[in-house]
Amino acid sequence: EAGVTQFPSHSVIEKGQTVTLRCDPISGHDNLYWYRRVMGKEIKFLLHFVKESKQDESGMPNNRFLAERTGGTYSTLKVQPAELEDSGVYFCASSQALGGANYGYTFGSGTRLTVV
Amino acid sequence: GDSVTQMEGPVTLSEEAFLTINCTYTATGYPSLFWYVQYPGEGLQLLLKATKADDKGSNKGFEATYRKETTSFHLEKGSVQVSDSAVYFCALSGRPGNTGKLIFGQGTTLQVKP
Repeated sequence: EAGVTQFPSHSVIEKGQTVTLRCDPISGHDNLYWYRRVMGKEIKFLLHFVKESKQDESGMPNNRFLAERTGGTYSTLKVQPAELEDSGVYFCASSQALGGANYGYTFGSGTRLTVV
Repeated sequence: GDSVTQMEGPVTLSEEAFLTINCTYTATGYPSLFWYVQYPGEGLQLLLKATKADDKGSNKGFEATYRKETTSFHLEKGSVQVSDSAVYFCALSGRPGNTGKLIFGQGTTLQVKP
């Protein structure tokens, strides 16, 4: 079974540019989560999809971030325009069941975003 | 709101030394508790978990016990190896009405020297 795939693995962009991160969850996993770790800090929740619907987007930092999950398969996270403080590692995770952390969560390897 | 606090790192140990990484939490209700590990160049992996008070999670020689009275979930290993070098994250999943969202601590970097 393929795991959760994220790409790119690294991205370096200039302030003001746009970047799109992609996450391919495990096939059949309805629940998809995005998290972010800013340098040396805790990993913070960004949002949660159930299929194509946003279940919880309370962690999205501001309206420069746009997440989509068309068709309930892969998800994209767009940052436009990027700011220096957006630098960090963005993780995606998927699970089959709601309450996934308790029943089985699979994380991707993350995308390291550097805004210069 | 719910939160997790981990001991500051980095932690540097010699091979075969005893490891403790402290983790305390604040949560309403009865959360589930987790330790995740991130090895260099890899994604987050679940190391162990405990879902109720006094439960002990264990895996790969690591252990942690859910202590409700002290709101703690300290990670321990009796004899670390160089291959244990990684970043360790303590996390909780709140209940009730849990949607699977995890709340993480800031991570503790462990370096084991031969």
